[in-house]
Amino acid sequence: EDQVTQSPEALRLQEGESSSLNCSYTVSGLRGLFWYRQDPGKGPEFLFTLYSAGEEKEKERLKATLTKKESFLHITAPKPEDSATYLCAVQLRGGYNKLIFGAGTRLAVHP
Amino acid sequence: DAGVIQSPRHEVTEMGQEVTLRCKPISGHNSLFWYRQTMMRGLELLIYFNNNVPIDDSGMPEDRFSAKMPNASFSTLKIQPSEPRDSAVYFCASSIQGDEQYFGPGTRLTVT
Repeated sequence: EDQVTQSPEALRLQEGESSSLNCSYTVSGLRGLFWYRQDPGKGPEFLFTLYSAGEEKEKERLKATLTKKESFLHITAPKPEDSATYLCAVQLRGGYNKLIFGAGTRLAVHP
Repeated sequence: DAGVIQSPRHEVTEMGQEVTLRCKPISGHNSLFWYRQTMMRGLELLIYFNNNVPIDDSGMPEDRFSAKMPNASFSTLKIQPSEPRDSAVYFCASSIQGDEQYFGPGTRLTVT
């Protein structure tokens, strides 16, 4: 069964304290891996797509990386405005556009 | 661009009533998705359309749920009759086939 697991469930950081979120997946065939950010009361907001092992994407303080079994979202020197839930999702090969989402990591960054 | 538009933003109804949620996708997008999000089950895909045609409705919980996409700029998700366990946030998302999905603000449904 295709599965996406995110860890930790929740993470509390001090402002400036860098860390990483993990997304591990077990799928029949990966077409792409997506990262989203979700703020309370809002819909998920697209961050990155990764397609092949070794690929990296960056945006401001965020960097996403991909291996054959997992993806990491690295947060460098986070600020309180980075507080949100971060969701990863996998898109399967031959699965049209369907995304399978993980449960998310709730990040809180304190000043 | 206005992004994905959903209405209503909040809906409170009594058990047994019919509920209709509405979605307008981003212009030019040819894929549309309906999701449900709860604390217990996270974000679940209910159904998705490609070029207005339903492709996969395996996530629709039961026959009380139905979805339509009569044209490229409008879709509805209907629950009839509604039950308290249907209380959740329902999201609509759209994409250009195969690319990243853009989500609407969601409809928070409460069934009492």
